[in-house]
Amino acid sequence: QVQLKESGPGLVQPSQTLSLTCTVAGFSLTSYNVHWVRQPPGKGLEWMGVIWNTGGTRYNSALKSRLSISKDTSKSQVFLKMNSLQTEDTATYYCARDLDPYGVMDAWGQGASVTVSS
Amino acid sequence: DTVLTQSPALAVSLGQRVTISCKASESVSSSSYSYMHWYQQKPGQQPKLLIYHASNLESGVPARFSGSGSGTDFTLNIDPVEADDIATYFCQQSWNDPTFGSGTKLEIK
Repeated sequence: QVQLKESGPGLVQPSQTLSLTCTVAGFSLTSYNVHWVRQPPGKGLEWMGVIWNTGGTRYNSALKSRLSISKDTSKSQVFLKMNSLQTEDTATYYCARDLDPYGVMDAWGQGASVTVSS
Repeated sequence: DTVLTQSPALAVSLGQRVTISCKASESVSSSSYSYMHWYQQKPGQQPKLLIYHASNLESGVPARFSGSGSGTDFTLNIDPVEADDIATYFCQQSWNDPTFGSGTKLEIK
């Protein structure tokens, strides 16, 4: 059964760094890409970036300077780090598996709610 | 970035057919595939894939859902609409870096 689960701090102070972990089960990170997508409260979805099965990455140009995605294949974990957080980064952060390496997100985690506040 | 435009909301009667539209700012189709996908999101839940590559029904999704379109114009159809379908529907393109439409909230008349 394919599963993804995000974990991390629910509260981050402004200007600090957000660190999230996506732990996957039921598939291998050597075979599938994993995306990060976020959703501010009451708003739409924003693609953040992807880590490919090969380990390569690609980021949303608007976030590229602040964002890093990495993985530990042996632990079935994908990591997101984003620095210089501001209040507008308050959102639910999702990781999602790529179905067919063409950007189809067929399985999503439940999401991690992150509030940026002092 | 490829901008996807959706109507904010649609009101429908249960048992009727509804068409949700998504217009892309540039073509997202090749000769082989259309890189347009549809998701359903209910309040407090993660998005769920319904349709991929414009017209392919994701496994486990009821056949009441269907998708069509190519180039810049795509539609998601639900026929007939059931109470469980009340949700927000997002289109997403993967022709280039993924972008999502702003979502169409389906409401009951």
